[in-house]
Amino acid sequence: DIQMTQSPSFLSASVGDRVTINCKASQNINRYLNWYQQKLGEAPKLLIYNANSLQTGIPSRFSGSGSGTDFTLTISSLQPEDVATYFCLQHNSWPYTFGAGTKLELK
Amino acid sequence: QIQLVQSGPELKKPGESVKISCKASGYTFTDYAMHWVKQAPGKGLKWMGWINTYTGKPTYADDFKGRFVFSLEASASTANLQISNLKNEDTATYFCARNYFDYWGQGVMVTVSS
Repeated sequence: DIQMTQSPSFLSASVGDRVTINCKASQNINRYLNWYQQKLGEAPKLLIYNANSLQTGIPSRFSGSGSGTDFTLTISSLQPEDVATYFCLQHNSWPYTFGAGTKLELK
Repeated sequence: QIQLVQSGPELKKPGESVKISCKASGYTFTDYAMHWVKQAPGKGLKWMGWINTYTGKPTYADDFKGRFVFSLEASASTANLQISNLKNEDTATYFCARNYFDYWGQGVMVTVSS
């Protein structure tokens, strides 16, 4: 199975900060990596698909980069509504696997 | 708009069975496979497998072979997950997600407790 190592597990930042979250795959997953935002009690919301494509309706302050084994989600200017847990998903090969999540809070 | 609406929370005893549903709308149901994902309390997400909504063929991740069954009511654009012989460790929220994981259901909390 492909292991997805996500870091950091917890992140505290201020409004306006640039925030980065990383996912590292244990083997090459090409660009088959999605990023999600999940707020408490809600379904995950797709932010970025295939490593760097912004899902329709998602603010442009969210961006993704990377390929192969190393991927990054960037929030260019943190907003209060971005407080949530973020996680990655590799859909390159079965079994699909998720990162453990990054809990983002406001400082 | 595209929606996946799942059934309500369930409280079951060990050894019982549960069937949860995921009703799709806003797109052609048979054009997209349906995945199932488990999120245990305080834990990460785990992919359970998927069902081909055109053929009805299910594929299960290794940890979900045996007691878990994916099925369809294609005429109702609904995918179902049935879990038999429930165990305490099945306590979790179960999500359905359309192929490519772009749209997700709201999740169903299943609690297994004696």
